[in-house]
Parts: sequence; structure tokens; C-alpha cells
Amino acid sequence: RKEVEQDPGPFNVPEGATVAFNCTYSNSASQSFFWYRQDCRKEPKLLMSVYSSGNEDGRFTAQLNRASQYISLLIRDSKLSDSATYLCVVSMDSNYQLIWGAGTKLIIKP
Amino acid sequence: EPEVTQTPSHQVTQMGQEVILRCVPISNHLYFYWYRQILGQKVEFLVSFYNNEISEKSEIFDDQFSVERPDGSNFTLKIRSTKLEDSAMYFCASSDSSPPFFGPGTRLTVL
Repeated sequence: RKEVEQDPGPFNVPEGATVAFNCTYSNSASQSFFWYRQDCRKEPKLLMSVYSSGNEDGRFTAQLNRASQYISLLIRDSKLSDSATYLCVVSMDSNYQLIWGAGTKLIIKP
Repeated sequence: EPEVTQTPSHQVTQMGQEVILRCVPISNHLYFYWYRQILGQKVEFLVSFYNNEISEKSEIFDDQFSVERPDGSNFTLKIRSTKLEDSAMYFCASSDSSPPFFGPGTRLTVL
């Protein structure tokens, strides 16, 4: 079983729509959770950390369900610039030895 | 805004040669990392470095690989006797106990 699993997509979504991604992780001892964004042939960039209580940053909302071992990302009012691959990332410890999902590709269409 | 820089942006080498990938982490960061991403595949952890020594390394990071912090600013990844399958993007990252910030990567092509 893969350590971090994501639907690879692509998700083709019209501009202005709301889109949600889920991610599951296998190790219940995982401590920290993140969403990174990666544009084609670029480096990953931290989008947001994910907290147990859920957290929001503008149009982006992240949630963590430890009991079911999944993480979600919701994007509201999607923009063309949101087109990217969204990477679900898990850390086992405070040293940030990050374990990466393969990413979900999002394409926002005008 | 401070950033991680990497050089070169693209390195082409012959199989069996040694390469050194260079990184300048963000200046007040204490934790340094190397990750790689084979084209079309997921990002993979290679090694983390703290207090002038390796703190964690993955199965990928075998004797072919080494890291060094030769001075107060640079952080290098050396790959000895490169193989075709070493072709990938190599990302350096650094953190100050925050989630890591990534450099733009070095694309390594082994011919």
C-alpha cells in the first residue's frame, strides 16, 4: 500500500467553480501534514499546513481527519492561476523527512 | 523574500562521471534537505542535514551519494559514478523548523 495516495486526476474544472481533493495516508503515527503546489517543471511550493481543527487561507480550506487518515483541500472560486499539481505531503517527525503523494493535477478552464 | 538557490539549473553528464550539485539555503535556516523527482514521478526524500551531519537518509541515498556543507553558505550533493537512472530533478530545501522551502532545482541528465 502506498504511504500517501492521491487521485492523479486531471481534474478539469471551469473557472469560478469549487473543487476538492482528498488524500489518504497509511501511517497513523504521521505527525504533520501539508499541501504543496507544483507548477510544471518547477519546485514544490508550500500552499498550507493542515491542522486537526481545519484551517483556511483565503479561497483554500484544508482539513485533517486522523481517525480516517485522510486530508482534504478545498479551493473555492477557482482561478486560471490555480492550475497546477497539488501534492499531499506527510511528515513522520519534526525533521521534515517528507513523504509525498504523487499529486493531483488540476486544470482550470476559462 | 529570501530564497533557496541552486546551481547549475541543468547538468548534463556522461554515465560513470561524478557530479556536484550546489545549493545555497536560506541564510538563517539550520535544516537542509535534498529531494529528487524523476520526470513524471513523485518527489522522493534523499537526505536531511542538521548541525553539520546527516540526520536522516532514505534507501535511495546509498554510498553513491554524499552531502557536504563546505562553508557557511553552500550545501552540496555529490553523486559518484552516475547511472542513467540518476537522471532527475534534484531539489535542495531548507527550513528553520518550518516546512521546507525548496530551491528551483537542478535538472540532471545522464547520457
